[in-house]
Amino acid sequence: DGGITQSPKYLFRKEGQNVTLSCEQNLNHDAMYWYRQDPGQGLRLIYYSQIVNDFQKGDIAEGYSVSREKKESFPLTVTSAQKNPTAFYLCASSIEGTGITEAFFGQGTRLTVV
Amino acid sequence: GENVEQHPSTLSVQEGDSAVIKCTYSDSASNYFPWYKQELGKRPQLIIDIRSNVGEKKDQRIAVTLNKTAKHFSLHITETQPEDSAVYFCAARWRDDKIIFGKGTRLHILP
Repeated sequence: DGGITQSPKYLFRKEGQNVTLSCEQNLNHDAMYWYRQDPGQGLRLIYYSQIVNDFQKGDIAEGYSVSREKKESFPLTVTSAQKNPTAFYLCASSIEGTGITEAFFGQGTRLTVV
Repeated sequence: GENVEQHPSTLSVQEGDSAVIKCTYSDSASNYFPWYKQELGKRPQLIIDIRSNVGEKKDQRIAVTLNKTAKHFSLHITETQPEDSAVYFCAARWRDDKIIFGKGTRLHILP
């Protein structure tokens, strides 16, 4: 089912705590992405990575951090500096380099901070 | 910077009629324009895409047109059916693999 796995599906955290969202893909894709989805806001890009050990900030990177130590993994950490972290987070991956191929999405993680 | 504008935010059409969603992009360096459909509680899934060297593409009831000069592209759904009700997103991809999405259009198919 797309080969991209996000875990967990639902996540609850207390305010002030850092939390890491997992994203794993077995599609052998080089490019990976993190998006945040809020009602009426569409999909906003947090970070993306074209290749292992390299990543770039998206439009709303403040309060988030990522790592890309392995091709198949792109974890996202939501830090306590993120002012409004409650949202639906989507990870995606794609073939890199040609710029003309689709991105495949994971099933998402719904994070609730209380 | 890179930006994608999508209109309308909500669209209601009678079953059997056509629906059109429009998007514009900011940077002429974009070379790939996918459209995604997201049903409630599910992940976005690609329904059709178009490359910058093509003006139109059709797949059964769905078509996409691209006007590179005006930097806009549109999704056309003909003979709409109840299962077409969903949120639709346009996107643009740049040569550095950055993908930016529009804010989405919630399509309602009325009986």
